Amino acid sequence: DAGVIQSPRHEVTEMGQEVTLRCKLISGHNSLFWYRQTMMRGLELLIYFNNNVPIDDSGMPEDRFSAKMPNASFSTLKIQPSEPRDSAVYFCAGGGTINSNQPQHFGDGTRLSIL
Amino acid sequence: QKEVEQDPGPLSVPEGAIVSLNCTYSNSAFQYFMWYRQYSRKGPELLMYTYSSGNKEDGRFTAQVDKSSKYISLFIRDSQPSDSATYLCAMSAAYGGATNKLIFGTGTLLAVQP
Repeated sequence: DAGVIQSPRHEVTEMGQEVTLRCKLISGHNSLFWYRQTMMRGLELLIYFNNNVPIDDSGMPEDRFSAKMPNASFSTLKIQPSEPRDSAVYFCAGGGTINSNQPQHFGDGTRLSIL
Repeated sequence: QKEVEQDPGPLSVPEGAIVSLNCTYSNSAFQYFMWYRQYSRKGPELLMYTYSSGNKEDGRFTAQVDKSSKYISLFIRDSQPSDSATYLCAMSAAYGGATNKLIFGTGTLLAVQP
């Protein structure tokens, strides 16, 4: 979706390394969601922001994961230190304001492999 | 038990067939129901969006919600090879577009054979 740009598209790194995933919202969105997708667990919500403020981070698996949204159009998801079980596709999605009719639009994901 | 259950498939049908995809759920507070389509190596894209019970039709696609049975369906008529993708159901307990959590099914892989 042209409205949500994720980078990098692919990341391969060794366990113990720091990984930073990036998400840029191109179109007008007021909320941002980070998801993780695996074959076993499907699509899981990690954290979401509304107007740059983290609203719910209960899906973040552990302290090794952190997310920031320094401005209205950009967010990072960081894993430090990374582990092989973190291997998955990570998606970012943009959404509208509270009670808007705007659905969530997903980026094309970052495919992360931790060796 | 997961909040949302979806048969992972794979489901293989010949071109032109009617396809039925289904999800069941356990949370009676869910009011908003969505179907997303995900092509290989792409992000999910919204296909259908319905509120509460009833039917919604959009071209070859029809979404049905039966809240009494906690069961939702997506029907695809005259299926095409281009419909081959993973179909994810999603639902939320309040308006799902912005600040509320979407709970996804694990997805059904559909292959339409030419």
